Amino acid sequence: DSGVTQTPKHLITATGQRVTLRCSPRSGDLSVYWYQQSLDQGLQFLIQYYNGEERAKGNILERFSAQQFPDLHSELNLSSLELGDSALYFCASSVGGGSYGYTFGSGTRLTVV
Amino acid sequence: AQSVTQPDIHITVSEGASLELRCNYSYGATPYLFWYVQSPGQGLQLLLKYFSGDTLVQGIKGFEAEFKRSQSSFNLRKPSVHWSDAAEYFCAVGFHSGGYQKVTFGTGTKLQVIP
Repeated sequence: DSGVTQTPKHLITATGQRVTLRCSPRSGDLSVYWYQQSLDQGLQFLIQYYNGEERAKGNILERFSAQQFPDLHSELNLSSLELGDSALYFCASSVGGGSYGYTFGSGTRLTVV
Repeated sequence: AQSVTQPDIHITVSEGASLELRCNYSYGATPYLFWYVQSPGQGLQLLLKYFSGDTLVQGIKGFEAEFKRSQSSFNLRKPSVHWSDAAEYFCAVGFHSGGYQKVTFGTGTKLQVIP
C-alpha cells in the first residue's frame, strides 16, 4: 500500500457518458498529479494541483476536468467519453513540487465500450 | 525544451545476469533525476532519486544509478537480476519552470527476465 488511494479500481462505461475518478493523497502530501497511461501514448501528464489550486496543466482534453478539495482529495472528471479514452488513470502525490519523487496510486482502469 | 529519452523499448536478460537501463536527458542545468518501476497492473514505485552530491545513488531492490553530467545520462544498474525484476522501468527528470517544479517521464523500458 503506497498510501495513495484511488477509486474505483475498474470502471466500464459507454461512449458519451461521464465518470469521476477519485484520489486520496498520501497523508501530508499537498500536491496531486493525474496521469493517463495507454499503450499507444505511454504515460501522459494531465494536471497537477497543489493545496487546492491548479499548478500545472499537461495534455488534458477540454472534456476532462479536475479539482482538489479542502481535505486534499482530488477528483478527475471525464465527460463525453470516447473509445480512445480507455486507459489507466493514475494519481500521484508529493509533499511539495515533487523534488523527493512521487507516490503513485494503483490506478483506475477505465474501459469505454 | 526539457526532455528525457530511454532508447531501449524492450530488454531481455537472463536471471543472474547484470542489467543496465539507459536514460538520457536534455536540460540546461542539473535536474532532479528519478527511476521508477511499474509491475504489471500496478502503479509506479520510486526506485531511487538524485538531486546533488555523490553521483552514484543507491535505491531499493538492489538497484543503483549513476549520474554522468558530461553525458547527460542517468543509467540504472543492477549486478544480478532476479525474475521478480521483470517490469517496466521509467526514468524521470524534474526541473524548474515558471517558478514551479515539473517532472517529465521517459517512455519506459520493459524488462523481460528469462530463466
